[in-house]
Amino acid sequence: KAGVTQTPRYLIKTRGQQVTLSCSPISGHRSVSWYQQTPGQGLQFLFEYFSETQRNKGNFPGRFSGRQFSNSRSEMNVSTLELGDSALYLCASSLWSGGWYEQFFGPGTRLTVL
Amino acid sequence: ELKVEQNPLFLSMQEGKNYTIYCNYSTTSDRLYWYRQDPGKSLESLFVLLSNGAVKQEGRLMASLDTKARLSTLHITAAVHDLSATYFCAVDLETSGSRLTFGEGTQLTVNP
Repeated sequence: KAGVTQTPRYLIKTRGQQVTLSCSPISGHRSVSWYQQTPGQGLQFLFEYFSETQRNKGNFPGRFSGRQFSNSRSEMNVSTLELGDSALYLCASSLWSGGWYEQFFGPGTRLTVL
Repeated sequence: ELKVEQNPLFLSMQEGKNYTIYCNYSTTSDRLYWYRQDPGKSLESLFVLLSNGAVKQEGRLMASLDTKARLSTLHITAAVHDLSATYFCAVDLETSGSRLTFGEGTQLTVNP
């Protein structure tokens, strides 16, 4: 069974640019969540998509947006990049297992903003 | 707002010793997750605890959940170097889909 894939794995951008990250969940998983991990703030929830609809949103500015396609693949976009956006962005593919969410995390995209 | 706190945040221990990592959370939840993260890597699921009194064990790691105290523990028995990693606990709420709120993480170093 293929795992969660994220592309690209590494990105270097400059302030003011925008970036799009992609996540392909495990086949059959309809829920995709995004998290930002930084040394200072730890792991923070960005948003969750389920069946192409945003189901939950974290406390991030509107520069952070996402979407999900009919095949469950998800993208997140960050516009007008700031230095503080440098982070590891993790995508989680989730399946409801009759009482809990079985979540599998992708390898992450490491974004560096210069 | 749900808050999850871990302690200690840094733990240096000798091989063969035992220790416990604590995870407190602020809102009633019956689902508590433990993850492991190696440097530069993603998160690996260790345990899911689903009810009060739940206990799960895998190798030298044992996790337990006390929902009344809103406390989970991750106990390490006879630590070995391979256990060196950062351990996160996380909680989700029934009303929040699959959204996880993570603790700060405990960076564990096991020294020979």
